[in-house]
Amino acid sequence: NAGVTQTPKFRVLKTGQSMTLLCAQDMNHEYMYWYRQDPGMGLRLIHYSVGEGTTAKGEVPDGYNVSRLKKQNFLLGLESAAPSQTSVYFCASSSTGGLNTEAFFGQGTRLTVV
Amino acid sequence: LAKTTQPISMDSYEGQEVNITCSHNNIATNDYITWYQQFPSQGPRFIIQGYKTKVTNEVASLFIPADRKSSTLSLPRVSLSDTAVYYCLVVPISSGSARQLTFGSGTQLTVLP
Repeated sequence: NAGVTQTPKFRVLKTGQSMTLLCAQDMNHEYMYWYRQDPGMGLRLIHYSVGEGTTAKGEVPDGYNVSRLKKQNFLLGLESAAPSQTSVYFCASSSTGGLNTEAFFGQGTRLTVV
Repeated sequence: LAKTTQPISMDSYEGQEVNITCSHNNIATNDYITWYQQFPSQGPRFIIQGYKTKVTNEVASLFIPADRKSSTLSLPRVSLSDTAVYYCLVVPISSGSARQLTFGSGTQLTVLP
């Protein structure tokens, strides 16, 4: 029962490099989210998806792209990394059912851009 | 999305009851109140949710007055392991909504021995 799994856990990038963060969930959830968390701050929503093949912008989408080709996976891409994107990235998923608002979070990816 | 306001930090001692209050003055009719807990280097973890009056589970209680403009998370007899950041969120429950979770800065609870 893995829940939400993020890959990789740590990464160091040079400015201008690209990378993709993978989020996988095994709970058959419709909704998936990508957040970033800077030191001492709350989480900020980057992009989210309400189902396979759909994506939408969140609060801080600039510099990121996402794709949801399979229901269980949500990918976050950085095309040209910048030092301002140094952060901890969290993926989450939640169901659409009823009145349950609970979201499940991954363990995070710590990204450093130098 | 309704904005929430909560204290930046709180200190408590082991064995005490801790109450963290959150204000959400512009909460909408279809909004639920949800609390998450986050330990360092971990993702947030759902604690409790409610709509009105009182909700209790094995971890905490949530008190919501009739006007729903505020809520109080109550943690009974805290221990050192309850030291964490606690987030209050207002989440819309409606058909087709994306249920975006908007996190503020949260309340840093420090439990002292």
